[in-house]
Amino acid sequence: AQKVTQAQTEISVVEKEDVTLDCVYETRDTTYYLFWYKQPPSGELVFLIRRNSFDEQNEISGRYSWNFQKSTSSFNFTITASQVVDSAVYFCALSGPQGHNTNAGKSTFGDGTTLTVKP
Amino acid sequence: EAGVTQFPSHSVIEKGQTVTLRCDPISGHDNLYWYRRVMGKEIKFLLHFVKESKQDESGMPNNRFLAERTGGTYSTLKVQPAELEDSGVYFCASSRSPFSGVYNEQFFGPGTRLTVL
Repeated sequence: AQKVTQAQTEISVVEKEDVTLDCVYETRDTTYYLFWYKQPPSGELVFLIRRNSFDEQNEISGRYSWNFQKSTSSFNFTITASQVVDSAVYFCALSGPQGHNTNAGKSTFGDGTTLTVKP
Repeated sequence: EAGVTQFPSHSVIEKGQTVTLRCDPISGHDNLYWYRRVMGKEIKFLLHFVKESKQDESGMPNNRFLAERTGGTYSTLKVQPAELEDSGVYFCASSRSPFSGVYNEQFFGPGTRLTVL
């Protein structure tokens, strides 16, 4: 079974602070994919990043960075110099290998972390 | 290329009524998934269609929920009769069929916010 744990239910920071959202996952698959999504107040899911299990390189995209560590089954997300517009619910998700099997492509999500950035 | 669309964007109904949600996947995407997020909880998988066939419906909460995908194009998710605990956001996603060595992105729709009073 797959499981994603986002231990932080809510985080509140002041604008310009850095903030890290934690994500820990469990899976028996050797090939898998990890994702982060943002859900702003408007409700849609905004895709932020996908990582496959064979690529442990960290990634930076503007103020966003991701730290994937297979040894600790973690895929943490850091926002540098946070802004009010970053306020949203952030979801970490895990998907097994794609293929013609029952779990093909199905994503397992964490509970989400609600980030509030105050001016 | 148009994205995944869902209709309606919002629905407010009373307990005991019936509601039908619709999802139009991206053209050519054989895989269609339904997920939902009830208040404050995780986004949970409901079911997966491959074309018109139900590949996995292990996440359907009970028999008040019925999903269909006639002709393998759009899908509907009917809740009958709706209960208070069905309130939440229902997401649809679609992806192409997998080809060896190629990851096929799962694209999410904007969601339908269902409120049961």
